[in-house]
Amino acid sequence: QSVLTQPPSVSAAPGQKVTISCSGTSSNIGNNYVSWYQHLPGTAPKLLIYDNNKRPSGIPDRFSGSKSGTSATLGITGLQTGDEADYYCGTWDSSLSAYVFGTGTKVTVL
Amino acid sequence: EVQLVQSGAEEKKPGESLKISCKGSGYIFTSYWIGWVRQMPGKGLEWLGIIFPGDSETRYSPSFQGQVTMSVDKSISTAYVQWSSLRASDTAMYYCARQGFYGDHEADYWGQGTLVTVSS
Repeated sequence: QSVLTQPPSVSAAPGQKVTISCSGTSSNIGNNYVSWYQHLPGTAPKLLIYDNNKRPSGIPDRFSGSKSGTSATLGITGLQTGDEADYYCGTWDSSLSAYVFGTGTKVTVL
Repeated sequence: EVQLVQSGAEEKKPGESLKISCKGSGYIFTSYWIGWVRQMPGKGLEWLGIIFPGDSETRYSPSFQGQVTMSVDKSISTAYVQWSSLRASDTAMYYCARQGFYGDHEADYWGQGTLVTVSS
């Protein structure tokens, strides 16, 4: 089981905003950078956010990341039907000496 | 263009061995880690470990240490993960990903996935 906890699902209407939380400990989120990934069924996961709040080239600014203490948050504004996917946080866990993913959150656009 | 291209789907029986591959192109293959990620049916992402193609240094997740073996052939820019004796519980989609491009452990490019089915 994952050491990073996310809500199983979030939903909102098109154009609205959702936030996804990722809760960890001082061994992982508290002392390491957090990344966020979008995973559509049948496709490869896509990196949305790295280093807590940076976006790779080509990722729209509708996606944002933040971190405070041992928790991180992904925000998606201007929700679109194409945003329906599973979202995962990820970070290094210094105690495990392993990269860990969150439990995953399914985003539904109503 | 950075690409990671994985080998095709595999169907195996319990106890059989298997080696799947991930070929990188469009970047200096030996300069960045390659990680492997598992997704069991209906489940989330799990990290198996990483290998550095430059010197074959490997780091395994404690959950997968001893269960899989990672290797690389840098002459053909290809990373591998192998099983010596498959179990039904190894049935999953396996992804490779480039890790560390931005300086931490983020996975910025991913392969298309290799579906491994283990069934008698």
